[in-house]
Amino acid sequence: GQQLNQSPQSMFIQEGEDVSMNCTSSSIFNTWLWYKQDPGEGPVLLIALYKAGELTSNGRLTAQFGTTRKDSFLNISASIPSDVGIYFCAGPPNAGGTSYGKLTFGQGTILTVHP
Amino acid sequence: KAGVTQTPRYLIKTRGQQVTLSCSPISGHRSVSWYQQTPGQGLQFLFEYFSETQRNKGNFPGRFSGRQFSNSRSEMNVSTLELGDSALYLCASSLARVRNEQFFGPGTRLTVL
Repeated sequence: GQQLNQSPQSMFIQEGEDVSMNCTSSSIFNTWLWYKQDPGEGPVLLIALYKAGELTSNGRLTAQFGTTRKDSFLNISASIPSDVGIYFCAGPPNAGGTSYGKLTFGQGTILTVHP
Repeated sequence: KAGVTQTPRYLIKTRGQQVTLSCSPISGHRSVSWYQQTPGQGLQFLFEYFSETQRNKGNFPGRFSGRQFSNSRSEMNVSTLELGDSALYLCASSLARVRNEQFFGPGTRLTVL
């Protein structure tokens, strides 16, 4: 099946630094979603992307839909301690087919921010 | 608007028992998807319901089942629990016809002893 590969697997940064992470697939995705999950909670939707090349921001977060439709990128500017968590990329598999209600998730990027 | 709610938040069961988890979607959302999250396998899709019908199913054994009620609330059931069923079970709701944005509940942490 289609898989999403996220990198890096983990990041340790200082407060105030910028963060970049990405997600790649061997198959085309028509939608890219970025989620953040805090310990013991469900994932929270951060940004949704629907067009190749699209660049969307949500506060200090910016995400891009890669032009090949096989990758996506998430940037966090001026990180703060509450940015700590696991960031997941996700998308519906089977581009062009039926994938009712199913999202494929990357394995996540664990972000740690040191004050 | 209230978010997705899941009950109970925590559950401890023993092998061989069965369990039922409940999910109430965001008001107006008719699609409910269920996922299992474990450290080893990550987030894996279980099944999706829309208008009381299962439209999609992941690669899980038949011990995992679900249903949806006319008010869009959904339940999932796991019978004959195994140790490997210990996981965070997440429910997500969506408008279904609007893109693919899914909104998750806080999850139910199931521990099987």
